[in-house]
Amino acid sequence: EVQLVESGGGLVKPGGSLRLSCAASGFTLSAFSMNWVRQAPGRGLEWVSSISSGSSYMYSADSVKGRFTISRDNAKNSLYLQMNSLRAEDTAVYYCARADVAAAIPYYFDYWGQGTLVTVSS
Amino acid sequence: EIVMTQSPATLSVSPGERATLSCRASQSVSSNLAWYQQKPGQAPRLLIYGASTRATGIPARFSGSGSGTEFTLTINSLQSEDFAVYYCQQYNNWPPGTTFGPGAKVDIK
Repeated sequence: EVQLVESGGGLVKPGGSLRLSCAASGFTLSAFSMNWVRQAPGRGLEWVSSISSGSSYMYSADSVKGRFTISRDNAKNSLYLQMNSLRAEDTAVYYCARADVAAAIPYYFDYWGQGTLVTVSS
Repeated sequence: EIVMTQSPATLSVSPGERATLSCRASQSVSSNLAWYQQKPGQAPRLLIYGASTRATGIPARFSGSGSGTEFTLTINSLQSEDFAVYYCQQYNNWPPGTTFGPGAKVDIK
């Protein structure tokens, strides 16, 4: 059974940093590109960042470019999101999601974690 | 950036009836369109990809159609577990990235 479990969310002050993790199981992580998608409270879904299966390619939304960095460790079956210079508007539930493809190309997301809440507030 | 719109924003339907949701793209996305269902407090679940292909385990009462800029999600004979918010997603253009519609809520009439 495919499982994605996020962790690392919490309350952080504006300008602060946080590192999210996503533990993957039930499939071969190294065969798939992985993604972060966020959802602000009461709002819709927003793609954040993608990374190819072998970490060769990474893309991020303009709203987080230069502040967030996606990475992965296939040996540890894990995906990460380093978030720096956090703003109030980054407050959201952050989901890790698998794309049914190896390349970091636009694709649909076939499995999602349950999400971790990040709250940016003073 | 491709902008996705969905209509109606809310659809009130009685159990057993049909629900039809629309999704429009600001420019052609070919058939690179997916639909997701999200219930309160849960992660989104993939329903349809490639505009019309049901994902694994999705009941046949869910169907998708369309191409280019106009897409439809149809839910036949609505069950109680189908009352949720539905999002469309285009994955045709890169950069700047994949984009989602604002969501459409199907609630009980």
